[in-house]
Amino acid sequence: DAGITQSPRHKVTETGTPVTLRCHQTENHRYMYWYRQDPGHGLRLIHYSYGVKDTDKGEVSDGYSVSRSKTEDFLLTLESATSSQTSVYFCAISGQGMNTEAFFGQGTRLTVV
Amino acid sequence: QQQVKQSPQSLIVQKGGISIINCAYENTAFDYFPWYQQFPGKGPALLIAIRPDVSEKKEGRFTISFNKSAKQFSLHIMDSQPGDSATYFCAASGGSNYKLTFGKGTLLTVNP
Repeated sequence: DAGITQSPRHKVTETGTPVTLRCHQTENHRYMYWYRQDPGHGLRLIHYSYGVKDTDKGEVSDGYSVSRSKTEDFLLTLESATSSQTSVYFCAISGQGMNTEAFFGQGTRLTVV
Repeated sequence: QQQVKQSPQSLIVQKGGISIINCAYENTAFDYFPWYQQFPGKGPALLIAIRPDVSEKKEGRFTISFNKSAKQFSLHIMDSQPGDSATYFCAASGGSNYKLTFGKGTLLTVNP
């Protein structure tokens, strides 16, 4: 299995509170991604990174921010959590070349109450 | 705008039968088409992938058929087994858009 660790694996938080999810990789892959998975919507890209301090928005980026200060860590922050952000969040990584296999973490189940 | 459309949303097949899942894409710059398999509580994992220079790729019981002119590709699972019961996602990427765009997924149930 690719070395990807997401933390926490489960979290319940209250509306309006900030939340940070962490993705840690040991593969030294260049590209890192945050997806959210919701019933009927599949996997939707939130933000991605193509290098240290190089990030860009995906298709559902509103309400989320990211940071990547080291190759191995990619953080996803919900500045002020809302119930619509209740979801399962997956981190993924892919290698040096474009259009190569993406490896996914185990996911973080976030519930905003 | 949904760039990758996947069907059906759910599929029930008897053990030993053939499972077929279809995807269609819009972006002609896409040149990498993977299929991912996801079991409950797990992250998606690459099952098989194809590039448009071939029309078919087979790995064991799993086959991707690719039709570039129709901008469609499909996954065929031969001799389907209960252990194949999972959610399957097609995806695509290519050109300057190296990010994977996923279909909405198909929940496959293989009855024993």
